[in-house]
Amino acid sequence: GQQVMQIPQYQHVQEGEDFTTYCNSSTTLSNIQWYKQRPGGHPVFLIQLVKSGEVKKQKRLTFQFGEAKKNSSLHITATQTTDVGTYFCADSWLGNKLVFGAGTILRVKS
Amino acid sequence: DTAVSQTPKYLVTQMGNDKSIKCEQNLGHDTMYWYKQDSKKFLKIMFSYNNKELIINETVPNRFSPKSPDKAHLNLHINSLELGDSAVYFCASSSGTGQETQYFGPGTRLLVL
Repeated sequence: GQQVMQIPQYQHVQEGEDFTTYCNSSTTLSNIQWYKQRPGGHPVFLIQLVKSGEVKKQKRLTFQFGEAKKNSSLHITATQTTDVGTYFCADSWLGNKLVFGAGTILRVKS
Repeated sequence: DTAVSQTPKYLVTQMGNDKSIKCEQNLGHDTMYWYKQDSKKFLKIMFSYNNKELIINETVPNRFSPKSPDKAHLNLHINSLELGDSAVYFCASSSGTGQETQYFGPGTRLLVL
């Protein structure tokens, strides 16, 4: 079945530093969704990328979809303590379910 | 006005017991899901229902039995609980199947002793 690889598994940054998490697949991704899960919380939808090469921004967050639709990234500029949590990418496999990456746990030291 | 709600929030039980988790969504969505999140945060889909019909049944032990009495509710019954069933179980819903945004409930933290 479809596998979505996500790296790194963990990232500890100093507040104000940038952070990036990457999703990769050996096969073409249908579309990529990104979710954020705060500690003790539930996954919350952030954004969806559909087109090859697509770039979307939400304040300090920048989402990219690779030209070949085999990778995606989420970049956070100047992290804040409110950014802590686990970030998941997910691909819509065969259009009927989401296959989630393993997630990247972000910790921010103030 | 909680969009997707689950009960109970916490569940501590002994091995061998049977327990149920309930989920309700008030978003008018057609599709509901159950996910299991293990201690390493990995999210794995278990079941999906569309308009009360089972459409996804991943490799899940048959001790787990979902039931959807109507499209706003999806319950999960677990027989003969095992230690390895300890996890967080999330219910989610979406307007369609697969490609649409999924809205997650707050989760049920199950601990089997």
